[in-house]
Amino acid sequence: KAGVTQTPRYLIKTRGQQVTLSCSPISGHRSVSWYQQTPGQGLQFLFEYFSETQRNKGNFPGRFSGRQFSNSRSEMNVSTLELGDSALYLCASTDPRSTDTQYFGPGTRLTVL
Amino acid sequence: DQQVKQNSPSLSVQEGRISILNCDYTNSMFDYFLWYKKYPAEGPTFLISISSIKDKNEDGRFTVFLNKSAKHLSLHIVPSQPGDSAVYFCAASALPTSGTYKYIFGTGTRLKVLA
Repeated sequence: KAGVTQTPRYLIKTRGQQVTLSCSPISGHRSVSWYQQTPGQGLQFLFEYFSETQRNKGNFPGRFSGRQFSNSRSEMNVSTLELGDSALYLCASTDPRSTDTQYFGPGTRLTVL
Repeated sequence: DQQVKQNSPSLSVQEGRISILNCDYTNSMFDYFLWYKKYPAEGPTFLISISSIKDKNEDGRFTVFLNKSAKHLSLHIVPSQPGDSAVYFCAASALPTSGTYKYIFGTGTRLKVLA
Protein backbone atom coordinates (compact mmCIF):
# COMPACT_ATOMS: atom_id res chain seq x y z
CA LYS A 1 0.00 0.00 0.00
CA ALA A 2 1.27 3.47 -0.81
CA GLY A 3 1.85 5.71 2.17
CA VAL A 4 0.56 9.17 2.85
CA THR A 5 1.74 11.60 0.19
CA GLN A 6 2.04 15.34 0.46
CA THR A 7 2.67 17.92 -2.22
CA PRO A 8 4.60 20.02 -2.66
CA ARG A 9 7.51 18.95 -0.47
CA TYR A 10 9.00 22.44 -0.32
CA LEU A 11 7.46 25.85 -0.78
CA ILE A 12 8.73 29.41 -0.49
CA LYS A 13 6.25 32.24 -0.22
CA THR A 14 6.32 35.88 0.85
CA ARG A 15 4.33 37.57 3.57
CA GLY A 16 0.73 38.29 2.64
CA GLN A 17 0.48 35.53 0.07
CA GLN A 18 -1.66 32.48 0.45
CA VAL A 19 -0.72 28.84 0.06
CA THR A 20 -2.49 25.53 -0.52
CA LEU A 21 -0.98 22.22 0.57
CA SER A 22 -2.25 18.85 -0.52
CA CYS A 23 -2.41 15.48 1.20
CA SER A 24 -3.43 12.09 -0.13
CA PRO A 25 -4.11 9.56 2.64
CA ILE A 26 -3.47 5.85 2.54
CA SER A 27 -6.09 4.10 0.46
CA GLY A 28 -9.08 3.24 2.65
CA HIS A 29 -8.24 5.81 5.32
CA ARG A 30 -11.02 8.36 5.62
CA SER A 31 -9.66 10.51 8.41
CA VAL A 32 -6.99 13.09 7.68
CA SER A 33 -5.35 15.30 10.30
CA TRP A 34 -3.02 18.22 9.80
CA TYR A 35 -0.19 19.27 12.11
CA GLN A 36 2.27 22.13 12.20
CA GLN A 37 5.78 21.37 13.38
CA THR A 38 8.10 24.12 14.53
CA PRO A 39 11.36 23.74 16.49
CA GLY A 40 10.08 25.28 19.69
CA GLN A 41 6.50 24.04 19.66
CA GLY A 42 6.77 20.48 18.45
CA LEU A 43 3.79 19.07 16.60
CA GLN A 44 0.64 21.12 16.97
CA PHE A 45 -2.74 19.87 15.84
CA LEU A 46 -4.46 22.01 13.23
CA PHE A 47 -7.61 20.12 12.29
CA GLU A 48 -9.03 16.74 11.36
CA TYR A 49 -11.35 15.85 8.51
CA PHE A 50 -13.52 12.79 8.14
CA SER A 51 -15.90 12.13 5.26
CA GLU A 52 -15.48 15.69 3.97
CA THR A 53 -16.40 17.22 7.36
CA GLN A 54 -14.15 18.96 9.84
CA ARG A 55 -14.43 16.90 12.99
CA ASN A 56 -11.76 18.37 15.27
CA LYS A 57 -10.01 21.70 15.35
CA GLY A 58 -6.93 22.98 17.12
CA ASN A 59 -6.17 26.47 18.35
CA PHE A 60 -5.10 28.17 15.16
CA PRO A 61 -6.43 31.41 13.67
CA GLY A 62 -9.01 31.42 10.92
CA ARG A 63 -6.28 32.04 8.34
CA PHE A 64 -5.73 28.29 8.50
CA SER A 65 -8.46 26.32 6.81
CA GLY A 66 -8.87 23.00 5.17
CA ARG A 67 -11.18 20.76 3.27
CA GLN A 68 -11.54 17.16 2.28
CA PHE A 69 -12.78 15.74 -0.98
CA SER A 70 -14.94 12.71 -1.62
CA ASN A 71 -11.85 10.62 -2.39
CA SER A 72 -10.50 11.53 1.10
CA ARG A 73 -7.75 13.73 -0.31
CA SER A 74 -7.36 16.85 1.76
CA GLU A 75 -6.07 20.35 1.23
CA MET A 76 -4.92 22.89 3.74
CA ASN A 77 -4.95 26.60 2.98
CA VAL A 78 -3.16 29.39 4.77
CA SER A 79 -4.09 32.93 3.79
CA THR A 80 -2.24 36.17 4.47
CA LEU A 81 0.97 34.36 5.32
CA GLU A 82 3.09 35.57 8.22
CA LEU A 83 6.76 34.91 8.91
CA GLY A 84 5.74 32.75 11.87
CA ASP A 85 3.89 30.38 9.55
CA SER A 86 7.22 29.01 8.39
CA ALA A 87 7.10 25.39 9.50
CA LEU A 88 6.85 21.79 8.46
CA TYR A 89 3.21 20.90 7.81
CA LEU A 90 2.42 17.26 8.34
CA CYS A 91 -0.62 15.36 7.31
CA ALA A 92 -1.63 12.06 8.89
CA SER A 93 -4.26 9.53 7.99
CA THR A 94 -5.88 7.21 10.47
CA ASP A 95 -6.33 3.48 10.07
CA PRO A 96 -10.08 2.85 10.37
CA ARG A 97 -9.36 -0.51 12.02
CA SER A 98 -7.23 1.09 14.70
CA THR A 99 -8.19 4.66 15.32
CA ASP A 100 -5.27 5.03 17.68
CA THR A 101 -2.61 4.90 15.00
CA GLN A 102 -1.84 7.71 12.63
CA TYR A 103 0.36 7.41 9.59
CA PHE A 104 2.21 10.54 8.68
CA GLY A 105 3.28 11.88 5.33
CA PRO A 106 6.75 13.34 4.77
CA GLY A 107 5.49 16.89 5.23
CA THR A 108 5.60 20.13 3.30
CA ARG A 109 8.33 22.54 4.35
CA LEU A 110 6.90 26.06 4.04
CA THR A 111 9.22 29.03 4.23
CA VAL A 112 7.70 32.49 4.42
CA LEU A 113 10.05 35.35 3.55
CA ASP B 1 0.02 25.93 27.79
CA GLN B 2 2.04 22.83 26.93
CA GLN B 3 -0.01 19.88 28.11
CA VAL B 4 2.62 17.37 27.05
CA LYS B 5 6.22 18.18 27.90
CA GLN B 6 9.48 16.64 26.89
CA ASN B 7 11.94 18.57 28.97
CA SER B 8 15.09 17.13 27.44
CA PRO B 9 15.59 18.50 23.94
CA SER B 10 18.48 16.11 23.31
CA LEU B 11 20.09 12.96 24.63
CA SER B 12 23.29 11.13 23.72
CA VAL B 13 23.78 7.47 24.55
CA GLN B 14 26.49 4.96 23.77
CA GLU B 15 25.59 2.10 21.46
CA GLY B 16 24.43 -0.95 23.41
CA ARG B 17 23.39 1.04 26.45
CA ILE B 18 19.87 1.98 27.53
CA SER B 19 18.17 5.12 26.23
CA ILE B 20 15.50 6.61 28.45
CA LEU B 21 13.28 9.31 27.04
CA ASN B 22 10.88 11.08 29.35
CA CYS B 23 7.55 12.77 28.92
CA ASP B 24 5.28 14.56 31.39
CA TYR B 25 1.68 15.56 30.96
CA THR B 26 -0.70 17.79 32.85
CA ASN B 27 -4.17 16.73 31.73
CA SER B 28 -5.51 13.91 33.91
CA MET B 29 -8.12 13.17 31.22
CA PHE B 30 -5.47 11.76 28.90
CA ASP B 31 -5.95 8.04 28.65
CA TYR B 32 -3.84 6.99 25.70
CA PHE B 33 -0.20 7.67 25.04
CA LEU B 34 1.99 7.10 22.02
CA TRP B 35 5.58 7.47 21.00
CA TYR B 36 6.62 8.43 17.50
CA LYS B 37 10.05 8.46 15.93
CA LYS B 38 11.00 10.97 13.30
CA TYR B 39 13.95 10.93 10.92
CA PRO B 40 14.95 14.07 9.01
CA ALA B 41 12.88 14.74 5.88
CA GLU B 42 10.36 12.08 6.88
CA GLY B 43 7.08 12.18 8.75
CA PRO B 44 6.86 10.70 12.26
CA THR B 45 6.34 6.96 12.43
CA PHE B 46 4.40 5.22 15.16
CA LEU B 47 6.58 3.32 17.61
CA ILE B 48 4.64 2.11 20.60
CA SER B 49 1.59 3.04 22.64
CA ILE B 50 0.11 2.47 26.07
CA SER B 51 -3.36 2.76 27.48
CA SER B 52 -3.95 4.28 30.88
CA ILE B 53 -5.17 0.93 32.22
CA LYS B 54 -1.63 -0.41 31.91
CA ASP B 55 1.64 0.70 33.41
CA LYS B 56 3.96 -1.03 30.98
CA ASN B 57 3.96 -2.08 27.35
CA GLU B 58 6.82 -3.83 25.65
CA ASP B 59 7.63 -4.34 21.99
CA GLY B 60 11.03 -5.79 21.25
CA ARG B 61 13.72 -3.35 22.30
CA PHE B 62 11.14 -0.68 23.16
CA THR B 63 9.27 -0.45 26.45
CA VAL B 64 6.97 2.32 27.55
CA PHE B 65 6.26 2.88 31.22
CA LEU B 66 3.34 4.91 32.52
CA ASN B 67 3.13 6.40 36.00
CA LYS B 68 -0.34 7.87 36.21
CA SER B 69 0.04 9.33 39.69
CA ALA B 70 3.10 11.26 38.55
CA LYS B 71 1.61 11.97 35.12
CA HIS B 72 4.82 10.71 33.63
CA LEU B 73 5.75 8.26 30.92
CA SER B 74 9.05 7.08 29.65
CA LEU B 75 10.36 5.19 26.67
CA HIS B 76 13.21 2.74 27.22
CA ILE B 77 15.28 1.50 24.31
CA VAL B 78 17.52 -1.46 25.12
CA PRO B 79 20.02 -1.95 23.63
CA SER B 80 20.36 1.33 21.79
CA GLN B 81 21.53 1.16 18.20
CA PRO B 82 22.89 3.89 15.90
CA GLY B 83 19.77 3.53 13.74
CA ASP B 84 17.71 4.68 16.71
CA SER B 85 19.16 8.17 16.32
CA ALA B 86 16.12 10.32 15.58
CA VAL B 87 13.73 12.75 17.19
CA TYR B 88 11.23 11.07 19.49
CA PHE B 89 7.82 12.61 20.15
CA CYS B 90 5.43 11.52 22.84
CA ALA B 91 1.74 12.17 22.28
CA ALA B 92 -1.32 11.94 24.48
CA SER B 93 -5.01 11.87 23.83
CA ALA B 94 -8.28 11.71 25.70
CA LEU B 95 -11.32 9.70 24.72
CA PRO B 96 -13.19 12.06 22.42
CA THR B 97 -16.85 12.85 22.74
CA SER B 98 -16.96 12.77 18.96
CA GLY B 99 -14.57 12.10 16.17
CA THR B 100 -11.28 10.39 16.54
CA TYR B 101 -8.60 11.00 19.07
CA LYS B 102 -7.07 14.44 19.08
CA TYR B 103 -3.41 14.04 19.78
CA ILE B 104 -1.32 16.48 21.76
CA PHE B 105 2.36 16.14 21.02
CA GLY B 106 5.40 17.02 23.04
CA THR B 107 8.21 19.12 21.57
CA GLY B 108 10.42 16.12 20.91
CA THR B 109 13.74 14.77 22.17
CA ARG B 110 16.62 14.28 19.76
CA LEU B 111 18.35 11.00 20.53
CA LYS B 112 21.85 10.40 19.29
CA VAL B 113 23.27 6.92 19.68
CA LEU B 114 27.04 6.96 19.48
CA ALA B 115 28.83 4.03 17.86
